[in-house]
Amino acid sequence: RKEVEQDPGPFNVPEGATVAFNCTYSNSASQSFFWYRQDCRKEPKLLMSVYSSGNEDGRFTAQLNRASQYISLLIRDSKLSDSATYLCAGGASGGSYIPTFGRGTSLIVHP
Amino acid sequence: DAGVIQSPRHEVTEMGQEVTLRCKPISGHDYLFWYRQTMMRGLELLIYFNNNVPIDDSGMPEDRFSAKMPNASFSTLKIQPSEPRDSAVYFCASSPSARSQYFGPGTRLTVL
Repeated sequence: RKEVEQDPGPFNVPEGATVAFNCTYSNSASQSFFWYRQDCRKEPKLLMSVYSSGNEDGRFTAQLNRASQYISLLIRDSKLSDSATYLCAGGASGGSYIPTFGRGTSLIVHP
Repeated sequence: DAGVIQSPRHEVTEMGQEVTLRCKPISGHDYLFWYRQTMMRGLELLIYFNNNVPIDDSGMPEDRFSAKMPNASFSTLKIQPSEPRDSAVYFCASSPSARSQYFGPGTRLTVL
């Protein structure tokens, strides 16, 4: 089983919709979690960290559920420019807390 | 800041040739990571350095791969000899804290 797993999608939503992605992790000792955004043929870019109490950045909300070992990303009022692949990162590798990445969830926002 | 710089951006080579990828991390970042991304396997960590010292190279596929960081501002990833299955996008990333990472634009490697 991969340490971090995501539904690859694609999630195909209209502009203005609310969409949520989940990402499960297998290591219960995981400490650090992040969401990255990757545009086609570009590098991943840090979108936001995920804090235990949940956190919000504009239209984006990230949450952590330790009991069920998943993190989530909620995007409200989707824009065409939100179309991208969203990678979650988390877990620990040999106790070093270096995050490992999921395969990504593809989001397509259409007019 | 210029961000993480990688060169070359694209590399096409023939099987058996040596390939050297280069990376300049963000100044002041103590951690440097090399990743490989393919459609089949996603983003895989190959090796990472802390203060120029290799810490974990368990992700390096085999002895054909080697990485060095001679100083805080430069790292190389070398593949010798290259094989078609090495074709991928190779990302370098740096970080001040080993947790969140700042990626370079990547090197798209094609081995024929």
